[in-house]
Amino acid sequence: DQQVKQNSPSLSVQEGRISILNCDYTNSMFDYFLWYKKYPAEGPTFLISISSIKDKNEDGRFTVFLNKSAKHLSLHIVPSQPGDSAVYFCAARYRSGTYKYIFGTGTRLKVLA
Amino acid sequence: DGGITQSPKYLFRKEGQNVTLSCEQNLNHDAMYWYRQDPGQGLRLIYYSQIVNDFQKGDIAEGYSVSREKKESFPLTVTSAQKNPTAFYLCASSIWSRDTEAFFGQGTRLTVV
Repeated sequence: DQQVKQNSPSLSVQEGRISILNCDYTNSMFDYFLWYKKYPAEGPTFLISISSIKDKNEDGRFTVFLNKSAKHLSLHIVPSQPGDSAVYFCAARYRSGTYKYIFGTGTRLKVLA
Repeated sequence: DGGITQSPKYLFRKEGQNVTLSCEQNLNHDAMYWYRQDPGQGLRLIYYSQIVNDFQKGDIAEGYSVSREKKESFPLTVTSAQKNPTAFYLCASSIWSRDTEAFFGQGTRLTVV
């Protein structure tokens, strides 16, 4: 059972435009949500996060929105740049003994110059 | 510099052999994790550990074993019982507190030949 879902395997956006990546989750026990960026054959790097008590967090060109009632998370990148091209993973955390991080299947973003 | 080191980066194994992947961190993090990445399936949790000498099975623990004898080390053994061991393996660590991300190593690509 996939607790964190990214239903769009890929997304192409023109340079300078907005990229919107979406993520849905099912577990109400998740208390912290994260976005990671990943290049092939490398480990994921942390991008931005949001606590379950907030609905928005902004860091430069990156903004994450959380809609708890809809169990939906989104990442906005404005403006998109060619260097943003990568696979983006949504992750959610809950406590089961220690904290567990559950990841989605990823969305491959391609920013076209 | 602090970080997580996984070694080796590429590993080849003959079918039927056990192999151990190394993961070392000098971030003084309490929790450590092993994930497996396959195409189109995101990152799936294999094992995780909150403290020394304690670890828990993740979602796909069958065919794997771990140990946590030191805080900074969390090696993963892929046994001959693992039916499809060829994958990209990622180790991560995090602080035992709220609102923190997991930090990842650079990964090990295991190929069974």
